[in-house]
Amino acid sequence: SQQGEEDPQALSIQEGENATMNCSYKTSINNLQWYRQNSGRGLVHLILIRSNEREKHSGRLRVTLDTSKKSSSLLITASRAADTASYFCAPVRNDYKLSFGAGTTVTVRA
Amino acid sequence: NAGVTQTPKFQVLKTGQSMTLQCAQDMNHNSMYWYRQDPGMGLRLIYYSASEGTTDKGEVPNGYNVSRLNKREFSLRLESAAPSQTSVYFCASLTGADTQYFGPGTRLTVL
Repeated sequence: SQQGEEDPQALSIQEGENATMNCSYKTSINNLQWYRQNSGRGLVHLILIRSNEREKHSGRLRVTLDTSKKSSSLLITASRAADTASYFCAPVRNDYKLSFGAGTTVTVRA
Repeated sequence: NAGVTQTPKFQVLKTGQSMTLQCAQDMNHNSMYWYRQDPGMGLRLIYYSASEGTTDKGEVPNGYNVSRLNKREFSLRLESAAPSQTSVYFCASLTGADTQYFGPGTRLTVL
């Protein structure tokens, strides 16, 4: 299976702090994507990083990719209560089939 | 644009009953996907359709069938529901940017 494995499983931080979560995968990829899922809702795409990219930013999100270590990280800066959600990484091969791990559950405390 | 819509939102079935989950997208996407999500787990791919008229098995296809009725619609059928199929089912379509756009989900309970 090509699924990503997120670490840690759960993270609790204070509003305003940064949150970092990691993703590891097993085989070569075309790109890696991060998604957010609010409780009881569908997944929402956050950011895509291609295999030839090392770092990408989108607003308060920063994603890194190290293909030699088959790992990625997602950093959320200056967290807000609205960032409380589960975050999933999805390594993608050329067939565009996504496979998800169990995710990292982030709780932002006011 | 409504994006990806799924019906019904909730369903309770008895073991052995059949039902079809409906999914439609109005974004003119070619590829569509069905996933299931069990408590505390990520999504697992059941079936996908790379284009109208084609379907392929994903990770967990047993107990399910699909139909890509046209470019907009991709339905998932449970012929004889089992308690192990209690889950939340998500439909998604592939955007031109290689990301997936998800529907709101159908919460299915099989008693």
